[in-house]
Amino acid sequence: AQTVTQSQPEMSVQEAETVTLSCTYDTSENNYYLFWYKQPPSRQMILVIRQEAYKQQNATENRFSVNFQKAAKSFSLKISDSQLGDTAMYFCARAIIQGAQKLVFGQGTRLTINP
Amino acid sequence: KAGVTQTPRYLIKTRGQQVTLSCSPISGHRSVSWYQQTPGQGLQFLFEYFSETQRNKGNFPGRFSGRQFSNSRSEMNVSTLELGDSALYLCASSLYPGTSTDTQYFGPGTRLTVL
Repeated sequence: AQTVTQSQPEMSVQEAETVTLSCTYDTSENNYYLFWYKQPPSRQMILVIRQEAYKQQNATENRFSVNFQKAAKSFSLKISDSQLGDTAMYFCARAIIQGAQKLVFGQGTRLTINP
Repeated sequence: KAGVTQTPRYLIKTRGQQVTLSCSPISGHRSVSWYQQTPGQGLQFLFEYFSETQRNKGNFPGRFSGRQFSNSRSEMNVSTLELGDSALYLCASSLYPGTSTDTQYFGPGTRLTVL
């Protein structure tokens, strides 16, 4: 099965706190990409961060970083110094590099940042 | 550079009708993918086009079809609409699918309501 699992349907933290969203996936491929997308109430899907499976170094983008554990098939997102604008649905997704492009998404985590 | 655009943004149709949704990718992007998002099923892959050819198709009935034009713009069509087709339809484009530069960027979506 080629599934992506996000075990936290909802999370809520105070502004300026650090929060970690979990994601596990299943794949038989050795080479693939992993993504975190953010979908605010406007419904626009926005890329947050990308990780290539062949890279051991964890990706970072400003306040966003990932903890990629390839052997455990785990890909968590850490948001530091959370801001009100981070309130959104967060989706973890996996894509296979070769051939046609296809993203497999998790069910999402609804993150609320409280003032 | 302009992002992915989708038209129309909202549509209301009745059962049995057909609908056509349009997607213009980011300039220079050659791959277009379509996804359906519903509260119950989450985000599901519909199909992907590259150089006017459908290269990958998700598990949807034949009522769902699409095409891509020489300028990379894409349309998807749903015939004989059913209530369950009510969803947010998202289009995504990428530069060179299956390469190290490949990342999908999403449009704002078309919200389809079937009455």
